[in-house]
Amino acid sequence: DSGVTQTPKHLITATGQRVTLRCSPRSGDLSVYWYQQSLDQGLQFLIQYYNGEERAKGNILERFSAQQFPDLHSELNLSSLELGDSALYFCASSSRPYISGANVLTFGAGSRLTVL
Amino acid sequence: QQPVQSPQAVILREGEDAVINCSSSKALYSVHWYRQKHGEAPVFLMILLKGGEQKGHEKISASFNEKKQQSSLYLTASQLSYSGTYFCGTERGSGAGSYQLTFGKGTKLSVIP
Repeated sequence: DSGVTQTPKHLITATGQRVTLRCSPRSGDLSVYWYQQSLDQGLQFLIQYYNGEERAKGNILERFSAQQFPDLHSELNLSSLELGDSALYFCASSSRPYISGANVLTFGAGSRLTVL
Repeated sequence: QQPVQSPQAVILREGEDAVINCSSSKALYSVHWYRQKHGEAPVFLMILLKGGEQKGHEKISASFNEKKQQSSLYLTASQLSYSGTYFCGTERGSGAGSYQLTFGKGTKLSVIP
């Protein structure tokens, strides 16, 4: 157990639907990162939050949004789902401030999303 | 910008050595190496900061050539437990005071008896 908790582990839904993925970081970690892993693209960075504020954005679609709450848990919202959104979504957390670099990430077990 | 890893896949027999390379077209602050076993989350192996230092983890070591913006992961006397996909992650300053960790597509390593 890495200390990063993600729910749900598996999710099957239909095209056009909306889902929410949840992540609780390791105790004491203030930074949360979301990554998407599909077969041919490796780990694609989506978005990063630090202590409730968005700090970096990667290849995140406009249909996707995220937030980090005061208790530091984070949610990734995926809407108007398409077949191509099927992937493994990882949340990771880090204890270092985003401005310091050398951010070692601890990953959760992931949420596998299947869009039919 | 996504770093480029090579090779994409490699098969080794137990006890053999391997090298995985990672290169970037941009100046880097640090290079990270993670290993992901099948069906599991990526796990941190080591981080290399600017300065060309070499780090080690068991019989796995890595180097970082800051000038060439390249890093190499060396796996010595491979064991069955080394099987998995290795990702290099590169960290660049954004100029706005934040650092973003971007991963390559991964190198799948299979160690066979």
